[in-house]
This record gives sequence, C-alpha cells and structure tokens, in this order.
Amino acid sequence: KQEVTQIPAALSVPEGENLVLNCSFTDSAIYNLQWFRQDPGKGLTSLLLIQSSQREQTSGRLNASLDKSSGRSTLYIAASQPGDSATYLCAVDDYKLSFGAGTTVTVRA
Amino acid sequence: GAVVSQHPSRVICKSGTSVKIECRSLDFQATTMFWYRQFPKKSLMLMATSNEGSKATYEQGVEKDKFLINHASLTLSTLTVTSAHPEDSSFYICSAMEGTGNTIYFGEGSWLTVV
Repeated sequence: KQEVTQIPAALSVPEGENLVLNCSFTDSAIYNLQWFRQDPGKGLTSLLLIQSSQREQTSGRLNASLDKSSGRSTLYIAASQPGDSATYLCAVDDYKLSFGAGTTVTVRA
Repeated sequence: GAVVSQHPSRVICKSGTSVKIECRSLDFQATTMFWYRQFPKKSLMLMATSNEGSKATYEQGVEKDKFLINHASLTLSTLTVTSAHPEDSSFYICSAMEGTGNTIYFGEGSWLTVV
C-alpha cells in the first residue's frame, strides 16, 4: 500500500524567502506525482504534474523535482509571498491518487 | 479551463437524516469521478471510484450502504450519506477525470456537519 509522507507539517517563513517542501512515497511504481494547493476550507488547485518519466516541472516561481528511485519529490517556491500561504499537498498516482497530509505554509509579511 | 462544481458547499443536517452532495463536471464529460474525505489536518482519503453507468468501487473500510454513490450521467455523480451521525462530519471532495485520464479536476469540496 502506497504511503505518502510530507515533511515538515508546517512552515513559517518571512516574505521573500524560498520555500522547500518535501514529499516521500514508499512504492516507486507510479504514473505521476502531483502537487496541489489547498486554501482553508476550499478544494484543491493543481499546481504541477510530473510524469514518471520526468525529473522536474516548472511553472513560474514553482519548481517540482521527482526522484522516483528514491521515492522523493520536492516543491520549491521561489521568493515567497503572503499569498502563497496555504496547505500544499502532494499526491502519487499508481492507479489511484494517494495523498500526503500536507505542509501548511505561512508567509509572514 | 475545465471546472468541477460541488453542491452544496456547506450543509448541516440532523443525526439520522440523509444528505446528498452533487459533483458536476461543467464543460467536459467525466466517465470516472472520485470521492474523497478529509479530516482536519489529515490527508485526503479516497472513498470510492464512480464510473458512469456502473456501480461504484469502494475502498476498503468504506461502508457502501452508508455512502451511496450514483453516477447516472457523464457529468453528474452524487454522494448520499445515509443515516448521518456526528462522526460523519467531514470535508468531502470530488474529482473528475477528463478524457483518457491524464487530467483530473477537483471540486471545491463540501463541508458536512451532522448535529
């Protein structure tokens, strides 16, 4: 059974600092990995999707890497802003999505 | 872009009653929809996979008689929580798979409070 772990559970940084969010998974036989953003009480917004054959994906200030062999993905957010405050979830797709518990980010102005 | 709409966004119901949550794909046909449940500060848990025109596939530990899922059309799936109890209070999210399955869109979620 796929286990997805996200560390840290919470993170608070001053505005402008770069963010590094970690995701690890136990079964490397995956189709893809996604990073989502969840605002309090809201649904999920997809940020980046990395196919199993890819090493990274970039969108604006966001960059996500994938190392399937070691079962790890990292989401980098450059030059954080208060609007980046949210919970970030990673999800691994191996026929079905398995989610981590998320990392709650607070960016202080 | 594609949108998945959930309704209602918040609902309060009395113990013992049933409540229905709708999940609609607004501008695409979704042969497969998924229902998740999320407890505070916990990860999303897949409850069931809903395929249009057939019975839903439930995850282990999910009571199919309590959480009724109907996917009667290519744009609508419903989750009915029957004989609701306070412990059913949770955040329920649906997602819909577009086309060949490369893209999944999530609804905004529905808060259920059972009093």
